[in-house]
Amino acid sequence: GQNIDQPTEMTATEGAIVQINCTYQTSGFNGLFWYQQHAGEAPTFLSYNVLDGLEEKGRFSSFLSRSKGYSYLLLKELQMKDSASYLCAVRDMNTGFQKLVFGTGTRLLVSP
Amino acid sequence: ETGVTQSPTHLIKTRGQQVTLRCSSQSGHNTVSWYQQALGQGPQFIFQYYREEENGRGNFPPRFSGLQFPNYSSELNVNALELDDSALYLCASSYGQSRNTGELFFGEGSRLTVL
Repeated sequence: GQNIDQPTEMTATEGAIVQINCTYQTSGFNGLFWYQQHAGEAPTFLSYNVLDGLEEKGRFSSFLSRSKGYSYLLLKELQMKDSASYLCAVRDMNTGFQKLVFGTGTRLLVSP
Repeated sequence: ETGVTQSPTHLIKTRGQQVTLRCSSQSGHNTVSWYQQALGQGPQFIFQYYREEENGRGNFPPRFSGLQFPNYSSELNVNALELDDSALYLCASSYGQSRNTGELFFGEGSRLTVL
């Protein structure tokens, strides 16, 4: 089966650093994605990891450990506009086609 | 580059009715996937179309059906609507089926309310 776990909610203050964790159990793993979704809007792509290690992109970094079934998204120098839901998604190729399995999302609230 | 567009953005239906949602994929993309996102949940995969054929399906009943047209645009049809079908329906486009293709580009979604 497929199972993706991430915290439901997190809070942080402007300028701080926050780490959002994601653990997964899935067959046919072929990459992990992080998406940002503001309320009422479409998810937007943040990062993609397929090999172990850290991928850095400006204020956002994402880490993957395939042996542990674990990823995190690191947000630095938090801004108010970072208040959003952050979705962890695993690409499952077991069925032979590209399908993303999403977690329920982590709602991040950034306060002044 | 034209992004993914969906219509309508909002609609209200009653139980038992039928609905058609439309999606225009991003320029150059040939694969369209549909996801259902209930309030407070992550998107759930419905099905995927590639070259006008369904080539993958999630755990949704047959009353959820779709089409892809030669220009790669797509429709999602839901028959015999139920209250639990109330959700945001997201269309995502991508290029090809290579294992190396990365991100899906999502449209803004169609919010369906079933009364």
